Amino acid sequence: AQKVTQAQTEISVVEKEDVTLDCVYETRDTTYYLFWYKQPPSGELVFLIRRNSFDEQNEISGRYSWNFQKSTSSFNFTITASQVVDSAVYFCALTRGSARQLTFGSGTQLTVLP
Amino acid sequence: DTGVSQNPRHKITKRGQNVTFRCDPISEHNRLYWYRQTLGQGPEFLTYFQNEAQLEKSRLLSDRFSAERPKGSFSTLEIQRTEQGDSAMYLCASSLMGQGAVYEQYFGPGTRLTVT
Repeated sequence: AQKVTQAQTEISVVEKEDVTLDCVYETRDTTYYLFWYKQPPSGELVFLIRRNSFDEQNEISGRYSWNFQKSTSSFNFTITASQVVDSAVYFCALTRGSARQLTFGSGTQLTVLP
Repeated sequence: DTGVSQNPRHKITKRGQNVTFRCDPISEHNRLYWYRQTLGQGPEFLTYFQNEAQLEKSRLLSDRFSAERPKGSFSTLEIQRTEQGDSAMYLCASSLMGQGAVYEQYFGPGTRLTVT
């Protein structure tokens, strides 16, 4: 069985602070894919990143960065210099290499205060 | 660039009525997925199609739920004899299909169902 845990239910930061959202996953598969999605107040899930289990390189995209560590089964997401527009619910998700459906965590509500 | 669209965006129905939702995926995407999201939770997978074939439906919540994708383009999700517990956001997503590859899923805006 697969499981994704996002232990942080809510995080509140002041604009320009850095913030890290934690994601811990469980799977018995050797091939799997991890994702992050953003769900702003408008409700539509927005794809942010996909990472496969064979690629442990960290990735940076503008103010966003992701740290994938197989040793701790974690795929954490950091926003640098946060902005009010980053306020949203962020979901981490997992799929097996042979399966197609995503298993989501319960999400982290990020609020960035001006 | 046309994304995934869903209709209606909101549906209010009385308990016991049937409802049908429609999803139009991104045109070149072969795979189409249905999820349900309740308040404070992540989306929960229901079923998915590859072209017109429904490849996984064991996660449909009960036999009151059914989905179709008759021509491999749009899809419908039907809930018969709705119950108050069916109130949720129903999300549709689509993705490319590749040999041995897994692609990201793009989500529509969802249909919010309220059963009174």
